[in-house]
Formats: sequence, structure tokens, C-alpha cells
Amino acid sequence: DADVTQTPRNRITKTGKRIMLECSQTKGHDRMYWYRQDPGLGLRLIYYSFDVKDINKGEISDGYSVSRQAQAKFSLSLESAIPNQTALYFCATSDSRDRAVVTQYFGPGTRLLVL
Amino acid sequence: DQQVKQNSPSLSVQEGRISILNCDYTNSMFDYFLWYKKYPAEGPTFLISISSIKDKNEDGRFTVFLNKSAKHLSLHIVPSQPGDSAVYFCAATYGGATNKLIFGTGTLLAVQP
Repeated sequence: DADVTQTPRNRITKTGKRIMLECSQTKGHDRMYWYRQDPGLGLRLIYYSFDVKDINKGEISDGYSVSRQAQAKFSLSLESAIPNQTALYFCATSDSRDRAVVTQYFGPGTRLLVL
Repeated sequence: DQQVKQNSPSLSVQEGRISILNCDYTNSMFDYFLWYKKYPAEGPTFLISISSIKDKNEDGRFTVFLNKSAKHLSLHIVPSQPGDSAVYFCAATYGGATNKLIFGTGTLLAVQP
């Protein structure tokens, strides 16, 4: 079983709709992240959470919100989807106890198309 | 402003030869660097990393070199194998407490049999 899972894997929605992308992890990590990948732009950080009560904006948080329902679950919401939010979305986790290494572990991604 | 740059969008090498992927950065505060590999329809997977206190780190066929004065790092794959064909991202971070990674735009490596 995958350590970091994302649902759905693919989603098509219409402009103005609210959608939620979900991420679950069994790694026992305390930190979780949401990124989006666009062609030619690499991965950009949307939001990150260091524990259930700690939520922080990343570099491109406008138009998005998140919820950390439990240590193992971190969801990303698009309140009113727009076409330029069409992208590949990745969830990632890391372990703050591993101070020497800042490695993040990624889920398989959700491909979102906003029409 | 792109703090981490991968100026080669793609690279093609023959099986058995060396693959060299390059990455440049602009922020001198970065103190840890990572390489990730990404296959289609999968998430990025961690490959190898290096701390700014070192100039080389090796793991099997993969070696990362860091030149702090030039703000440049490179990933060497020797020998290259067809299964190495993927997109490679370099990433950088500073201040371990934040764990925030800044990614480059990626280089698509194609290893020809």
C-alpha cells in the first residue's frame, strides 16, 4: 500500500464549482504540504502544515484553502474553481524529527482540469 | 524570480554513458539540496541530497556535486540505464525548521538503448 495517497487521481470540473482534493498518509509524519505543478514551472508550494493546529500559506495560496483534519489527513479546497487552476496537484509529507534531512515524500498526484 | 534554475529542459544520452544534469541557484542562504525523479503519472521520488557543508555525495550510480562559489550543483548518473528516463527536479531549502523546498523546473532525461 502507498504511504501517501491522494483522491481523486483525476478530476474534471467547471468554472465556479467548489472541489476538494484529499490526501492521506500512513508514514506517521507530522508535516504535510500541497504543491501544484505546471508545465515549465516546476512544483510550487500552495500550503503547508506542521501539525493539526498549524497551517501556513505557501507562495501561491490565493484561491485555495486547506484543512488538516488529523495528523494523517490534509485536504485542499478550491472554493470557486477557475481554468488557470488546471494543473497537477501533489501532496507531500515530512518528519520534523528527522532534523538532518528535509526530505519530503510525495503522493501520486491529482490531475485537475477546470473547464 | 526563479531561485532554482534548471536551464536544460531535456537531455538525451546513450545507455551506459554518463548523464549530467545541472542546476543553478541564486539564494546563498540555501543550505540543503535535493534531487527528485519523476515518472509519468507518479509523484516525485527522492533520489539523493547534499548538505552545503559537503561538495560531493554518492549513492550507487548517482553522485551529486555542489559548487557553492558558483551556486551550482549537478547530478551525475553513471552508467545511465533506460529505466533512468524520467524528469529530474532539483530542489533547495534553507533553515531546516521550515522544510520548505524550492524546486527547479525539471529536466527530462531520455536514455536511449
